[in-house]
Amino acid sequence: AQSVTQPDIHITVSEGASLELRCNYSYGATPYLFWYVQSPGQGLQLLLKYFSGDTLVQGIKGFEAEFKRSQSSFNLRKPSVHWSDAAEYFCAVGRVRGSQGNLIFGKGTKLSVKP
Amino acid sequence: DTGVSQNPRHKITKRGQNVTFRCDPISEHNRLYWYRQTLGQGPEFLTYFQNEAQLEKSRLLSDRFSAERPKGSFSTLEIQRTEQGDSAMYLCASSLRGEGSSYEQYFGPGTRLTVT
Repeated sequence: AQSVTQPDIHITVSEGASLELRCNYSYGATPYLFWYVQSPGQGLQLLLKYFSGDTLVQGIKGFEAEFKRSQSSFNLRKPSVHWSDAAEYFCAVGRVRGSQGNLIFGKGTKLSVKP
Repeated sequence: DTGVSQNPRHKITKRGQNVTFRCDPISEHNRLYWYRQTLGQGPEFLTYFQNEAQLEKSRLLSDRFSAERPKGSFSTLEIQRTEQGDSAMYLCASSLRGEGSSYEQYFGPGTRLTVT
């Protein structure tokens, strides 16, 4: 069965430091991959997506992610974190075949930013 | 593009009552999804529509849950005889499904349900 694992429940980084959030997926073929961000009490905002092609994708707010097929990973990175990046981050995989379209989410990683 | 909207934003109800939530998707989007999110978890898929047709339902969607999208525009999610375990954030998302579409889903702000 398809699944998404985000190994880190909570990460704290200092403002200005670099960030990497890990995501591993289990899927029988090349999936569609997404990163979403959720601020407290809010819905999810799409940061970036990977469908095919270049394995390094750029997103909004200075985030990027790299798809590594050999490692079944899609890690999210940002070179310099801002205090406003504090939120919860979710990795998701989308099913490609047939008419299905729902996303399967990881449990999320909560990011705290120290001043 | 006004985004996905959901009403109400918060709902407190007593166990055993029925509740209904509404979702208005982005206007040109033909796919609409419902997810449920509990504390400390990622969203879990409940059901989705393509236009007015309900194409898939998760095993999480018990008989007490029903969703409709009568004219292929807004959707409602009803929970009958609510239980405390139904307390969660209910998220709606929409996407455009068609040739050349990019499949990403856009989420609304959610409806937080508390069952007392």
